[in-house]
Amino acid sequence: AQSVTQLDSQVPVFEEAPVELRCNYSSSVSVYLFWYVQYPNQGLQLLLKYLSGSTLVKGINGFEAEFNKSQTSFHLRKPSVHISDTAEYFCAVSDGGAQKLVFGQGTRLTINP
Amino acid sequence: ETGVTQSPTHLIKTRGQQVTLRCSSQSGHNTVSWYQQALGQGPQFIFQYYREEENGRGNFPPRFSGLQFPNYSSELNVNALELDDSALYLCASSLRRAQETQYFGPGTRLLVL
Repeated sequence: AQSVTQLDSQVPVFEEAPVELRCNYSSSVSVYLFWYVQYPNQGLQLLLKYLSGSTLVKGINGFEAEFNKSQTSFHLRKPSVHISDTAEYFCAVSDGGAQKLVFGQGTRLTINP
Repeated sequence: ETGVTQSPTHLIKTRGQQVTLRCSSQSGHNTVSWYQQALGQGPQFIFQYYREEENGRGNFPPRFSGLQFPNYSSELNVNALELDDSALYLCASSLRRAQETQYFGPGTRLLVL
């Protein structure tokens, strides 16, 4: 069975500082990996996804993530955050055969001015 | 292009009652997935519908059931509501391939008293 662990439940950073949100997954098969963002009182919006190919994936709003197969990780990074990035971030995995997404517990990113 | 919509936005029910939540998929999408997001948790997969048939189910009891209509809209029905059913219910639409992005609606927040 697949599982996703987001290593930090909360990450506070100052505005314009870099940030990394950590995600580890476990799966016995090839996987597709996703990062979604959830703003307060809203649904989920896709930031980026890894399907195959280059291990560095660029997404919307200046976010990027790196797939590391040997460490089974898919960490999300942004070089300079803004107040508007305050939200909950979810890492998710699906296997190659099914479209069921398995989500992590989420990381709350708080930006301090 | 119309995104995924869900109704109602909020709902209050009492234990033992039944509830129906509705989802309209994004134009061109033939697959609908439902997720339950308890407070402070990541979304959990309930089930998926493709061409009006259930196409995968998570670890939820049979009192959670669904329908998909010819226009690909969908309903989630929950019978014999329990207090633990209080959650945000998210609908996502997509094309039916594992690498396809799932587009989420804003959710229905259900409170069971």
